[in-house]
Amino acid sequence: DSGVTQTPKHLITATGQRVTLRCSPRSGDLSVYWYQQSLDQGLQFLIQYYNGEERAKGNILERFSAQQFPDLHSELNLSSLELGDSALYFCASNSGGGEQFFGPGTRLTVL
Amino acid sequence: GQQLNQSPQSMFIQEGEDVSMNCTSSSIFNTWLWYKQDPGEGPVLLIALYKAGELTSNGRLTAQFGITRKDSFLNISASVPSDVGIYFCAGPRDDKIIFGKGTRLHILP
Repeated sequence: DSGVTQTPKHLITATGQRVTLRCSPRSGDLSVYWYQQSLDQGLQFLIQYYNGEERAKGNILERFSAQQFPDLHSELNLSSLELGDSALYFCASNSGGGEQFFGPGTRLTVL
Repeated sequence: GQQLNQSPQSMFIQEGEDVSMNCTSSSIFNTWLWYKQDPGEGPVLLIALYKAGELTSNGRLTAQFGITRKDSFLNISASVPSDVGIYFCAGPRDDKIIFGKGTRLHILP
C-alpha cells in the first residue's frame, strides 16, 4: 500500500459526459502528479500540483483540468469525453524527492 | 523531448531463468528509478539509484546506475510467476519524472 488513494476505482460513462477523479496523496506529501495510461502504453504525464499551485504541465488536453485543494487532495476533471479518453488514470505523490508513489488508479471507460 | 529507451520491449522466459533489462537516455540523469506495474494496478517503486556506478539489490532484484549516468540496468534472478508485469525505468527531470515505455515480462508455464 503506497498510502496514495484514488476514487473511484472504476468509472463507466458515455461520450460527451464529464467526470471527476479524486486523489489523496500520502500523508505529508505536498506534490500530486496525474498520469494517463492507455491500453498497453506507457505512462503519460498530465499535470503536477505542489501545495495547491500548478507546477508542471505535460500533454494534458484542454478538455482536462485539475486542481489541488487546501487539504492537498487533488481532482482531475475530464469533460466532453471521447472514446479515446478511455484509460487508466493514476495519481502519484511525493515530498520533493525524485521518487513518486502511485495510487491504485481509476479505470475510465467511455462508451 | 526527453526520452528513456527501454529494451527489450517484452520478454518471454521460463520460470527460474534470470532476466536482464536496460534503460538508456541521450542525456544524463542524477537519479534512476525502477518501477513494476502489475496488471490493473499502479506502478510500485522497486529500486532507486542515486550515484553513478551504484549497485543496489532488493531481494532477487539488482539494479545498477551506469557509470556514464545515461543508462541503468535491472536484473532479476531465478524468476518466479509473480515477477510477471511491466517494468518501467524513470528519472526525475525539472520537477517531473520521465518514464520509459516499459519492458513487459512474461513467464512461460
